[in-house]
Amino acid sequence: AQKVTQAQTEISVVEKEDVTLDCVYETRDTTYYLFWYKQPPSGELVFLIRRNSFDEQNEISGRYSWNFQKSTSSFNFTITASQVVDSAVYFCALSLMDSNYQLIWGAGTKLIIKP
Amino acid sequence: SAVISQKPSRDICQRGTSLTIQCQVDSQVTMMFWYRQQPGQSLTLIATANQGSEATYESGFVIDKFPISRPNLTFSTLTVSNMSPEDSSIYLCSVGERWDTGELFFGEGSRLTVL
Repeated sequence: AQKVTQAQTEISVVEKEDVTLDCVYETRDTTYYLFWYKQPPSGELVFLIRRNSFDEQNEISGRYSWNFQKSTSSFNFTITASQVVDSAVYFCALSLMDSNYQLIWGAGTKLIIKP
Repeated sequence: SAVISQKPSRDICQRGTSLTIQCQVDSQVTMMFWYRQQPGQSLTLIATANQGSEATYESGFVIDKFPISRPNLTFSTLTVSNMSPEDSSIYLCSVGERWDTGELFFGEGSRLTVL
C-alpha cells in the first residue's frame, strides 16, 4: 500500500527565514510521481511541482527548491527567504504511473509566515 | 493549464436539502474528479466523473448521496443529497489533461456549510 507522511502539522517562522517542509512516502512500486501543491487561504489548490521516480535531480524554481532522495523515500520542499504570501497549507502527494491520476495525499503542513 | 470554474463558491444550506455544484473547464479534458476536503483535513477522492456514463465512486461514497453528471468533456456536476452537518466541507473539482504526467489542476472549491 502507498502512503504519504507529512509529520509537520504546522510550522511558524518569521519572514525571510528559510523553511523546509518534510514529505516521506511509502510505495513498493518503482514507477511513480511525487507532487507538491499549495493551498492558500482562498482554498484553491495550486500545483507546484511534479517529479517522477526516475529523476532524482533536485529542482530550484526561484525561492522554492525540492530535494528528492529515493534512499530515504523523501521529497522535501524548501522555501528560501520566506514571505508572508507563502503562508498556506502545503500538500505532498504520490501517484503510481499506471494509476489513472489516483493521488495519495499527505495530511498537509500549515505554514505560517509572520511579518 | 486548464482554467476551472466552480459554482457556487460557498453556500450555507439547511439539513435535509440538496445542493448541486457545477464545474466548468475552459478546454476539453480527459479526466475529471471530485474531491472532498473536510475542515482541517487532507483531500479525499469522492469519484471519477466519466463522460457519458456513470461515475466511478471510491469506497465510502455512493451514487445516491453524491450523484455526479458529466455530459461532455468540459462540464460536470456534483450533488450533495439530503445534507447533514457532517457534509460541511470544501468540495473540489479537479482535472487531468494528459495521461503521461499525472498532474491534477483544481478549481477554487465550493465551501459548503450545513446547519
